[in-house]
Amino acid sequence: ETGVTQSPTHLIKTRGQQVTLRCSSQSGHNTVSWYQQALGQGPQFIFQYYREEENGRGNFPPRFSGLQFPNYSSELNVNALELDDSALYLCASSLGTGAGTGELFFGEGSRLTVL
Amino acid sequence: GESVGLHLPTLSVQEGDNSIINCAYSNSASDYFIWYKQESGKGPQFIIDIRSNMDKRQGQRVTVLLNKTVKHLSLQIAATQPGDSAVYFCAEKVSGSARQLTFGSGTQLTVLP
Repeated sequence: ETGVTQSPTHLIKTRGQQVTLRCSSQSGHNTVSWYQQALGQGPQFIFQYYREEENGRGNFPPRFSGLQFPNYSSELNVNALELDDSALYLCASSLGTGAGTGELFFGEGSRLTVL
Repeated sequence: GESVGLHLPTLSVQEGDNSIINCAYSNSASDYFIWYKQESGKGPQFIIDIRSNMDKRQGQRVTVLLNKTVKHLSLQIAATQPGDSAVYFCAEKVSGSARQLTFGSGTQLTVLP
């Protein structure tokens, strides 16, 4: 158990809809990163939040957006869902900014299916 | 990192044997490397990490080797156990990036009884 919790665990949406995924970071961790993992592939970095500000973004379109709250929990929002958005969405928490090293603690993920 | 493909490399080993999982990375600016284990239906779990100023690091039953000359990383698991069966990913972080990890495509390790 990493102490990182994600909800919902599974959900099904149709193309064009919007989805919100939630993540509670490990106690004391102030940085949250989101990753997308397509079936049979490694996770791909979406973005990172530190102290409620976006602190780095991968190669994902603007319809992928996020928030971090004062308690360091986070949301990932995806608008105008496409079939290719079907994936496991992973949240990872860590302590401190991204400049250094340090272990990322991953949650179990939210499995999104877009029909 | 490794090129992304639809076919996951596989490795089968007998219980008790040593396992070696390899990974090629592409970014010479990467300064930190991590191995993760991912069991079915779970998130990636940290195994061991290594900084670019090292070429070897040992943990409990695991050793990571880094060869910066050929941009190659390996994970050695001693006395492989059934509980080691999982997908193993290497990940790299570029110096100065916001702890943004680039993951390889993974290797499926199966431990045979």
